[in-house]
Amino acid sequence: QKEVEQDPGPLSVPEGAIVSLNCTYSNSAFQYFMWYRQYSRKGPELLMYTYSSGNKEDGRFTAQVDKSSKYISLFIRDSQPSDSATYLCAMLGWVTGGGADGLTFGKGTHLIIQP
Amino acid sequence: GAGVSQSPSNKVTEKGKDVELRCDPISGHTALYWYRQSLGQGLEFLIYFQGNSAPDKSGLPSDRFSAERTGGSVSTLTIQRTQQEDSAVYLCASSLGGRPAYNEQFFGPGTRLTVL
Repeated sequence: QKEVEQDPGPLSVPEGAIVSLNCTYSNSAFQYFMWYRQYSRKGPELLMYTYSSGNKEDGRFTAQVDKSSKYISLFIRDSQPSDSATYLCAMLGWVTGGGADGLTFGKGTHLIIQP
Repeated sequence: GAGVSQSPSNKVTEKGKDVELRCDPISGHTALYWYRQSLGQGLEFLIYFQGNSAPDKSGLPSDRFSAERTGGSVSTLTIQRTQQEDSAVYLCASSLGGRPAYNEQFFGPGTRLTVL
């Protein structure tokens, strides 16, 4: 079992819909939780970062962390065609296998917003 | 200001050749990271530098991989005797610092390596 599981999709929704993206994880040492967006042939860019359980909102984006269930989510409201990209969850703990400061990523969900 | 830059953007090489990938971090960022992104494995962490030193090299896939950073700035990732399974996008990221606090990692555009 991978440390971080994420459905690769593709996930296709109509413009204006609410999008829900999710990851589960198994390593309870993870303390920081991030969502990155990656456009084709570009590097990932940070969208949201959370530390504690609960919700964090930034514009149309809401990140949710449930440490008891080891489950994180990203919600996108009023989705736009420009939101079409691959969304990667990432996690960081003091011990993450290859190094204490390397992020552990999910495989990414390919999201398509249909105009 | 300028972001993280990587060169070359694309590299095609023959199996068995050595390749060198370069990363220029954001000015003032003391931490630098290398990742590899492939279709099968997703985005994997390879190695982290704080200043010029890498405290843990266990994330490198094999002893054909090595990385160095000089002057606390530019880093190179070298792959010796390349194999077809090394084909991937190699991403570099930098941040203000590593532990104990989380600092945002800013990613470069990557180097797309194809081994024929």
